[in-house]
Amino acid sequence: SSELTQDPAVSVALGQTVRITCQGDRLRTYYATWYQQKAGQAPVLVFYGKNSRPSGIPDRFSGSSSGNTASLTITGAQAEDEADYYCDSRDTSGNPPVFGGGTKLTVL
Amino acid sequence: EVQLVQSGAEVKKPGESLKISCRGSGYNFPTYWIGWVRQMPGKGLEWLGIIYPGDPDIRYSPSFRGQVTISADKSFNTAYLQWGSLKASDTAFYYCAAGYGDYPTHFDYWGQGTLVVVSS
Repeated sequence: SSELTQDPAVSVALGQTVRITCQGDRLRTYYATWYQQKAGQAPVLVFYGKNSRPSGIPDRFSGSSSGNTASLTITGAQAEDEADYYCDSRDTSGNPPVFGGGTKLTVL
Repeated sequence: EVQLVQSGAEVKKPGESLKISCRGSGYNFPTYWIGWVRQMPGKGLEWLGIIYPGDPDIRYSPSFRGQVTISADKSFNTAYLQWGSLKASDTAFYYCAAGYGDYPTHFDYWGQGTLVVVSS
């Protein structure tokens, strides 16, 4: 089982706001990183750190954190946002990061 | 433009060895961590390990230590993932990714993936 827990599936109506969450003890110390993976494609970095979005990622993607829970919020979800979303976070002992199990987002 | 280009798909038999590659371009290769990620059919992402080609500093995820070998040749701007004896359960897509920093908190750039099929 993953040390980072994500809901397996979430749905959102077109144009509405959706929050995808990631829970784990390591999130009390380290920020989560979020990746988007569309069907048949490689993952893409969409949000990381306290408040960082790579260039080219729409500003409808935002992140937040509280206690042991990190969240990725999509404000005004679009059809092209339908994808799997994975959180990960660093390991306390210097090992590679660990992924959450992923959340499948459906845009209705 | 930063690019990570991975080697092509492989079909192997159980017990065979394999080495796949990931060539970086458009950035200073030795100064970015390269990570390897496994994605089994219909499943999620898993980190196998990371390497800092400049040292090299190599770190394996506990679940994969001893199962794979990660290496890099900074002369060729290339990182490698290899198996000594493949199993059917190694069938998966494998992605490489590049991230910067003392510890790679995030990976900005990703390869296109290499499909490895292990079947008798």
